[in-house]
Amino acid sequence: AQSVTQLDSQVPVFEEAPVELRCNYSSSVSVYLFWYVQYPNQGLQLLLKYLSGSTLVKGINGFEAEFNKSQTSFHLRKPSVHISDTAEYFCAVTKTGGSNYKLTFGKGTLLTVNP
Amino acid sequence: GAVVSQHPSRVICKSGTSVKIECRSLDFQATTMFWYRQFPKQSLMLMATSNEGSKATYEQGVEKDKFLINHASLTLSTLTVTSAHPEDSSFYICSARDLRTLNTEAFFGQGTRLTVV
Repeated sequence: AQSVTQLDSQVPVFEEAPVELRCNYSSSVSVYLFWYVQYPNQGLQLLLKYLSGSTLVKGINGFEAEFNKSQTSFHLRKPSVHISDTAEYFCAVTKTGGSNYKLTFGKGTLLTVNP
Repeated sequence: GAVVSQHPSRVICKSGTSVKIECRSLDFQATTMFWYRQFPKQSLMLMATSNEGSKATYEQGVEKDKFLINHASLTLSTLTVTSAHPEDSSFYICSARDLRTLNTEAFFGQGTRLTVV
């Protein structure tokens, strides 16, 4: 089974500051890794994903994440945040080769960008 | 990108009644759909996985007779909450997998806020 730990439940930052949202995972098998964003009362939107290849993955809205296998981490970063980035962010994993693509989510990190 | 439409976005029902939530893939064929439940300020908990044309697979602790899932076509899955009670109030989200993307991405609906009074 897989598990995901998002170390920070809330991250407040000022506009135009850099941000890092931390994610660690545990799995006995190879995994794919994802970051999703959720705005209030809405579903989830995929920010980026790591499947294989380059460990630095770039996504939408200026976000990027780096897969670190030795540290079992997949931290999300943005060099300069905007007010509109305020939302809940979820890290998720699924085992590779799975036929049903069942996602395991972390508990989420609420990013609040203040003016 | 692929679009998943979930309806209704909000529903209020009386205790003891049943509520049906629809999840449609608008521009792709969804062989597999997932139903999640999300409590306030918490993560998504997978309730069940449904494959088109077959019975849903429920996660441990989820009552299959209470949460009826039907996936009769490649573009539509429904979740029916039967005999709803206030403790069933929650945010329900569906997601669907696109055959074309070799199973690495799922697309999410907008969610349904269910309130049972």
